[in-house]
Amino acid sequence: DQQVKQNSPSLSVQEGRISILNCDYTNSMFDYFLWYKKYPAEGPTFLISISSIKDKNEDGRFTVFLNKSAKHLSLHIVPSQPGDSAVYFCAAKNTDKLIFGTGTRLQVFP
Amino acid sequence: NAGVTQTPKFRILKIGQSMTLQCTQDMNHNYMYWYRQDPGMGLKLIYYSVGAGITDKGEVPNGYNVSRSTTEDFPLRLELAAPSQTSVYFCASGQGNVNEQFFGPGTRLTVL
Repeated sequence: DQQVKQNSPSLSVQEGRISILNCDYTNSMFDYFLWYKKYPAEGPTFLISISSIKDKNEDGRFTVFLNKSAKHLSLHIVPSQPGDSAVYFCAAKNTDKLIFGTGTRLQVFP
Repeated sequence: NAGVTQTPKFRILKIGQSMTLQCTQDMNHNYMYWYRQDPGMGLKLIYYSVGAGITDKGEVPNGYNVSRSTTEDFPLRLELAAPSQTSVYFCASGQGNVNEQFFGPGTRLTVL
């Protein structure tokens, strides 16, 4: 049973526009959520996170929104740049462990 | 700081062979993790450690073993390689009071 789901395997966005990546979870005990970015042949790198007691966290072009009642979080990238093209993983923290979604491949085209 | 380093980068094994994937971190993190990523899938936790001498199973531990004799090193051992273990393996580390984990570059393993 997948506790963290990213239902869109891929997303294509024009440069300069907004990219919205979505993530759903099932376990209401998760207390922290993270987004990781992964380029081919590299390990994931941490991007942004949010505590379960907040509903928004912003860092430059990246904003994460958390809707606890819907068990849904989203990552907004504004404006999108070609260098943002990567696979994005949503993760939820459960005690000492992270549970990852299956990832969304974002392609930003000129 | 080199961060989290993994060796080798690539390896091809025959069925039944054994090998050890090495992982070292120089950030003095007490937590270390091993994940595998299969194509089109997320990262699945194999084993983790909260400190030297302490290890615990993750979601997919069968066919693997780990040890943690020092803070820096967390090797992953495959005793009898099977085709189902073909995957990309990532090691990660983190501090207990910090939520994010820092990942190594991965080891791509193929079992034929």
